[in-house]
Amino acid sequence: DAKTTQPTSMDCAEGRAANLPCNHSTISGNEYVYWYRQIHSQGPQYIIHGLKNNETNEMASLIITEDRKSSTLILPHATLRDTAVYYCIVKDNQGGKLIFGQGTELSVKP
Amino acid sequence: GAVVSQHPSWVICKSGTSVKIECRSLDFQATTMFWYRQFPKQSLMLMATSNEGSKATYEQGVEKDKFLINHASLTLSTLTVTSAHPEDSSFYICSDLLGLNTEAFFGQGTRLTVV
Repeated sequence: DAKTTQPTSMDCAEGRAANLPCNHSTISGNEYVYWYRQIHSQGPQYIIHGLKNNETNEMASLIITEDRKSSTLILPHATLRDTAVYYCIVKDNQGGKLIFGQGTELSVKP
Repeated sequence: GAVVSQHPSWVICKSGTSVKIECRSLDFQATTMFWYRQFPKQSLMLMATSNEGSKATYEQGVEKDKFLINHASLTLSTLTVTSAHPEDSSFYICSDLLGLNTEAFFGQGTRLTVV
């Protein structure tokens, strides 16, 4: 079973920041937080991952709480092309399969 | 970055026939790959782990005789849906292995429709 809980859906205005929360209260010390997104009828796309420090790349920022029980993915300036289902997954980085939860369906509106 | 290519993107087949889906790693050697299935409005469900040179490992509830997986080389894993029925219609996706400090890469997916 997935170890994360996310809101089912969210809306965001184009050009505004999209903040997607994820709860992972049972995360283990060696588990990372990974974010993927899936645009309709495509394979999932990697976004970002982190262990305990905040991370930023060209796509997004990842903010992880100090107790690591929750995190937030931030898309700083959402565009219509960011409309997708966003999956938060916790896993160690020693290889192996990814187990997907239900994700958050983000709709970016003009 | 690593690229995983899946073929075909979509396929329509008649009930009772078999369909093969290919998953290729284009710029790396993949000893392990994963196959997922996704029904409309649902999340990805892991079906099986494909291991190069050995038998695949299937998740609970997935029929190994129906979903045949072959991983004969380090760059190719195939999923064959045998004796397909309409309820096998789904979106099938493959991925490579999440590694140390690397993310997993996914194929584009294959939309199977059984009529």
